[in-house]
Amino acid sequence: EVQLEESGGGLVQPGGSLRLSCAASGFTFRNYWMTWVRQAPGKGLEWVGNIDQESHEVYYVRSVRGRFSISRDNAKNLVFLEMNNLRAEDTGVYFCARDKIVGAAVFDNWGQGTLVTVSS
Amino acid sequence: DIHVTQSPSSLSASVGDRVTITCRASVHIYNYINWYQHKVGRAPKLLMYGASTLHSGVPSRFSGSGFGTDFTLTISSLQPEDFATYYCQKSDSIPLTFGEGTRVEIK
Repeated sequence: EVQLEESGGGLVQPGGSLRLSCAASGFTFRNYWMTWVRQAPGKGLEWVGNIDQESHEVYYVRSVRGRFSISRDNAKNLVFLEMNNLRAEDTGVYFCARDKIVGAAVFDNWGQGTLVTVSS
Repeated sequence: DIHVTQSPSSLSASVGDRVTITCRASVHIYNYINWYQHKVGRAPKLLMYGASTLHSGVPSRFSGSGFGTDFTLTISSLQPEDFATYYCQKSDSIPLTFGEGTRVEIK
C-alpha cells in the first residue's frame, strides 16, 4: 500500500525557516516524481513545486521561488521542502503527493498533510 | 501563466442529483486536466486524469469530458459520500495550477 507521511510542521515567526519531510513507503520511491501542494486556511489547493526522480529537475510556483527548496533522498525514501524567509501567507497545510505517471503531473497518492503556521 | 477558472464555487444538491462542475483554461491545453476530491482533514483523492480517464477504484458515477479549454466533471447520481470540495488541475506545463474549487453541499 502506498503511504506518504508529512512531518516537520509547526509555528514559526515571519522571516523564519522550517524543513518539512515526507516519508514514502509501499512503492519504488526512486521511480517517481514527487510534488508539494499547500492549502491556506479557508482557501483552495495550491501547487508549490515538484522534483524529478534524480533531482535533476525541480520547479516551483513563482511565489516561493528563491525562498523554498525541494530535495529528496532516494536511499531513505524521503522528500523535503526547505522553507526560508517565511511569510504569513505561507501559513497552511502542506501535502506531499506522488506523480502517477513519470512527468505527467497527475497526483495519485497524497499524504494527510502537516500544518505550518507563520505568525509572531 | 495559464489560468484555470472553475465554476460554480459552491452548489447545493440532494442525494441522487446529477451534478456538473466546469473548468475553463485561459488557453488550449488539450486534455491536460485532472480532477480531485477533497474532504476537510483528509488527503485529496484523484478522481480523473487526462480529462476523461477514471482513476482506479473511483466509482463509475464520476465522469469527465472536454478538450482544449472547457472541461467538465459530472457526478451522475450524487451519493452521501460525495459531499466534498472538487478541484480541477492543469498538467500541461509549469505551474501546475489548481482551480479555485467547487464545494458540493447537502441541500
